[in-house]
Amino acid sequence: EDQVTQSPEALRLQEGESSSLNCSYTVSGLRGLFWYRQDPGKGPEFLFTLYSAGEEKEKERLKATLTKKESFLHITAPKPEDSATYLCAVQAGPGGGADGLTFGKGTHLIIQP
Amino acid sequence: GAGVSQSPSNKVTEKGKDVELRCDPISGHTALYWYRQSLGQGLEFLIYFQGNSAPDKSGLPSDRFSAERTGGSVSTLTIQRTQQEDSAVYLCATKPGHHTGELFFGEGSRLTVL
Repeated sequence: EDQVTQSPEALRLQEGESSSLNCSYTVSGLRGLFWYRQDPGKGPEFLFTLYSAGEEKEKERLKATLTKKESFLHITAPKPEDSATYLCAVQAGPGGGADGLTFGKGTHLIIQP
Repeated sequence: GAGVSQSPSNKVTEKGKDVELRCDPISGHTALYWYRQSLGQGLEFLIYFQGNSAPDKSGLPSDRFSAERTGGSVSTLTIQRTQQEDSAVYLCATKPGHHTGELFFGEGSRLTVL
């Protein structure tokens, strides 16, 4: 059974204090790993797709990296507006339930001014 | 609009009543998911539609839950004889096909069962 584990469950940082969120996965045949951001009362919003170990993607203060067992979402000099829940999802295959998509439970990130 | 649209945004109902939640997908998106998210919890997969294929119903928690997708477009999630534990946010998400995991989510329908 495919498994996706995110850590920590919650993280509180001071503005400007860089850190990383972790997404560990156990799947058969990774097709892709996805990061989403979810603000309170909203649906998740897509951030990044990573397909193979060693791949990196960046967007503003966020950088996502991928190894064969885990992905990190690095947040550099965060601002209060980066506060949100960050969800990781993997797609494994071929096919399978939900077209092989499995979500982690998310990391709730709070950036204090 | 260009995004996934869900209605109603909020629904309060009494235990035992039936409810219908609607999802209007992005035009051209052949794949559609329903997820449930309870307070402070992750996404719980409910059902997946892909084109004209039979839906993947493996996530539906009981036979009180059903969903249909008419003409490959609008989808309706129906919960019969609602229970208090059904209270949650129901999220709809769509994507262009099965070759990607990038989902486009609606804002969700918040269901409260009294």
